[in-house]
Amino acid sequence: NAGVTQTPKFQVLKTGQSMTLQCAQDMNHNSMYWYRQDPGMGLRLIYYSASEGTTDKGEVPNGYNVSRLNKREFSLRLESAAPSQTSVYFCASSESDKNYGYTFGSGTRLTVV
Amino acid sequence: DQQVKQNSPSLSVQEGRISILNCDYTNSMFDYFLWYKKYPAEGPTFLISISSIKDKNEDGRFTVFLNKSAKHLSLHIVPSQPGDSAVYFCAASLVMYSGGGADGLTFGKGTHLIIQP
Repeated sequence: NAGVTQTPKFQVLKTGQSMTLQCAQDMNHNSMYWYRQDPGMGLRLIYYSASEGTTDKGEVPNGYNVSRLNKREFSLRLESAAPSQTSVYFCASSESDKNYGYTFGSGTRLTVV
Repeated sequence: DQQVKQNSPSLSVQEGRISILNCDYTNSMFDYFLWYKKYPAEGPTFLISISSIKDKNEDGRFTVFLNKSAKHLSLHIVPSQPGDSAVYFCAASLVMYSGGGADGLTFGKGTHLIIQP
């Protein structure tokens, strides 16, 4: 089925460790996004990529970096994980010229101890 | 400062009755609004949307109403079914047909809808 694929689904990190969350979409969407969801906080935008080759900060970018590797893939990197980054991370994509709503991946549950 | 507010963290409704989920926003520049539904351990899925040039949009059992002057929108589900039990997020966008979807969506905190048998 077409959609957004995120890996891994679960991850436990120690404080200070680094890791990259992977995201790929096969819908030929131009725009891709990374959100985090925390209890009682809704979803907050970390970074987005309006099109291949461009990335921009969202609401909560500190502690993260992103790479739009190609049109399909958008990765999120934590260089030095902190307990405050314990969260559920969602990648999403959208067709830039038709706002029918974003397609989300199933999420990565990250725990930093 | 929360720009999209869902003031009810949870809502319990009897099966077959109407569910009404509310959302308020503060930014008058928002011009496109969406509702997402989320089951546990899954990503949010798009449910229904409405442009600021309309005051109502209907899709089967789901209807979204927009009151621009009050900066308020609501999602009506009629009749409510057990499968409707989920967390519902209200979201708003600054642009409808954005050149790159660049601004992202601003989400509320969600309302957990529980449909009682």
